[in-house]
Amino acid sequence: DAKTTQPPSMDCAEGRAANLPCNHSTISGNEYVYWYRQIHSQGPQYIIHGLKNNETNEMASLIITEDRKSSTLILPHATLRDTAVYYCIVGGNQFYFGTGTSLTVIP
Amino acid sequence: DAGVIQSPRHEVTEMGQEVTLRCKPISGHDYLFWYRQTMMRGLELLIYFNNNVPIDDSGMPEDRFSAKMPNASFSTLKIQPSEPRDSAVYFCASSLRDSRPGELFFGEGSRLTVL
Repeated sequence: DAKTTQPPSMDCAEGRAANLPCNHSTISGNEYVYWYRQIHSQGPQYIIHGLKNNETNEMASLIITEDRKSSTLILPHATLRDTAVYYCIVGGNQFYFGTGTSLTVIP
Repeated sequence: DAGVIQSPRHEVTEMGQEVTLRCKPISGHDYLFWYRQTMMRGLELLIYFNNNVPIDDSGMPEDRFSAKMPNASFSTLKIQPSEPRDSAVYFCASSLRDSRPGELFFGEGSRLTVL
């Protein structure tokens, strides 16, 4: 499974959009991009996934670049409850979680 | 559905003792994963099963660790003998690959402290 690179931490003002980037330059053609988040000490929670096209669900939007080497998770209106560690994962078998991005939503 | 159920939620034991962690996946799910999380190493995949068969155990740290899945509704992760460096939160997750690929459902974790 391909390796991902994410910034270690980010801040976002409450009510604003949070844009979390992820680089996955070694992604292969049939590998999906998955996003999870982990709030405090809970188990990780699935957010969204995509292959080539942009995706949107009730939680977030996923923008994947045309070359598929990077993606951005967008939380359109961040709330304090969105403070969490966000993981970008590429692949589909083993689901290796990296160190993720610690997002802090500031009041 | 009750979700993935793990037990015990907390375990404190002494070095050298045997530890058994248990997981009940979501009914009907065909994949089961065991992860370990520490501050130093983050979330590590230990082993995963497909239809009760271990597929990849390359993440199991050493022979002291073993995992079994005797049936579709139960899995165990055993550490024998335990060591202080095994202290971590152990998560179990399950998924239904065909209809919901990539969507892992995690349990609340078992926090292990080895003194």
